[in-house]
Amino acid sequence: EVQLVESGGGLVQPGRSLRLSCAASGFTFDDYAMHWVRQAPGKGLEWVSGISWNSGNTGYADSVKGRFTISRDNAKNSLYLQMNSLRAEDTALYYCAKDARYTVATIKDWGQGTLVTVSS
Amino acid sequence: QSALTQPPSASGSPGQSVTISCTGTSSDVGGYDYVSWYQQHPGKAPKLMIYEVTKRPSGVPDRFSGSKSGNTASLTVSGLQAEDEADYYCSSYTGSNNFDVVFGGGTKLTVL
Repeated sequence: EVQLVESGGGLVQPGRSLRLSCAASGFTFDDYAMHWVRQAPGKGLEWVSGISWNSGNTGYADSVKGRFTISRDNAKNSLYLQMNSLRAEDTALYYCAKDARYTVATIKDWGQGTLVTVSS
Repeated sequence: QSALTQPPSASGSPGQSVTISCTGTSSDVGGYDYVSWYQQHPGKAPKLMIYEVTKRPSGVPDRFSGSKSGNTASLTVSGLQAEDEADYYCSSYTGSNNFDVVFGGGTKLTVL
C-alpha cells in the first residue's frame, strides 16, 4: 500500500523559511516523479512543484518560482520542499503526491497533508 | 500558468447525469490528451477519477466518464448517487517536463 506522510508544517512568520518532508513507502520511490500540491483554507488545489525520478528535472508554479526548492533523496525514500521568503498567501495544506506510471502529468496517490500557516 | 476554468457549482438528483466542464487553452487542455479529474470529499485527500481524458483507474465506477473537445474537457457522472457529492477538480499537462500540471478552480457537486 502506498503511504505518503508529510511533516514539517507549522506556524511561521512572513519572510521566514520552512522545510517540508515527505516519507514514502509501499512502492519503489525512485521509479516515480513526485509533486507538491497545496490547498489554501476553503480554496482549490494548486500545483506547487514537481521533480523527476532522478532529480534531473524540476518544475515550479509561477507563484513560488525563485522562493521554493523541491528535492528528493532516493536512498531515504524522501521528498522535500524548501520554502523561503514565505508570504501570507503561502498559507495552505501541503500535499505530497506521487505521479502515476506510464502516463504524463497525472497524480495517482496523495498524502494527508501538512498545514503551513504564515502569519505574524 | 493560469488556472483552468470550471463552474463553481453543479447539481443533480439521484439517478440523473451531470456534466462538469473544464476550459483551458491550446497550451494545456487543447494541446495534450493529459487531462485528469479528481474527486475530493471534505477533509479528505483528492482521489484520481479520470486520466488521459477518458481512462478510469481501477476501482472507479464506470458511472464516471471523461471527454474533450478543443480546449474544453468534461466530466460526466451518470446515475448520480449521494456519495458522489464532493468537489471535483480537473488538471492538465502544461507541456513542461513530463509532470508540470495546472488545476482547475474546482466544482462543488451537490446531489439534491
